[in-house]
Amino acid sequence: KNQVEQSPQSLIILEGKNCTLQCNYTVSPFSNLRWYKQDTGRGPVSLTIMTFSENTKSNGRYTATLDADTKQSSLHITASQLSDSASYICVVDLNRDDKIIFGKGTRLHILP
Amino acid sequence: DGGITQSPKYLFRKEGQNVTLSCEQNLNHDAMYWYRQDPGQGLRLIYYSQIVNDFQKGDIAEGYSVSREKKESFPLTVTSAQKNPTAFYLCASSITAYVQNTEAFFGQGTRLTVV
Repeated sequence: KNQVEQSPQSLIILEGKNCTLQCNYTVSPFSNLRWYKQDTGRGPVSLTIMTFSENTKSNGRYTATLDADTKQSSLHITASQLSDSASYICVVDLNRDDKIIFGKGTRLHILP
Repeated sequence: DGGITQSPKYLFRKEGQNVTLSCEQNLNHDAMYWYRQDPGQGLRLIYYSQIVNDFQKGDIAEGYSVSREKKESFPLTVTSAQKNPTAFYLCASSITAYVQNTEAFFGQGTRLTVV
């Protein structure tokens, strides 16, 4: 069964600190792996998109990595800000049937 | 401004009523999607449309209906047959159906509550 598992389920860090969110997947083969940020009560906003052949992609303070051998992706946030408080969702596009699979997200809380 | 717009932001429905959620995009995207989000769960696909006048069932289509008469519009009707409709509904669009490096844009969501 194709799965996308994210960890931790929730995370609390102090403003200014770095953090790393994890995404493990069993989907195969896939075309894209994406990370989205979703503020409470809002729609998800794309942070990064990586194809299966890419192993890193940055967007400002957000850096996503992809290890296709271990089927793991991570999202690293540097110098966290209060506005980073949100859910971060890992999404994998299957390379067939136009299917995509969403992880359940990691809820990140930044404390002042 | 280009974007994808959902309305209303909040919607209340009495049991047994049908309600329609609006989704409009001016991005000239061919593909549009409806998802449902429940607490602690990933987004689940309800319906999607790859082109005007065509749509396909997603993973949880029962109790929902859609239409795609115009490229810009993809309304979702939550019917009385949907047993647990209270949820956060998200509409998305992309240039084409999901292919390599295709960006998907989401609306701001509609929170539907059955009262």
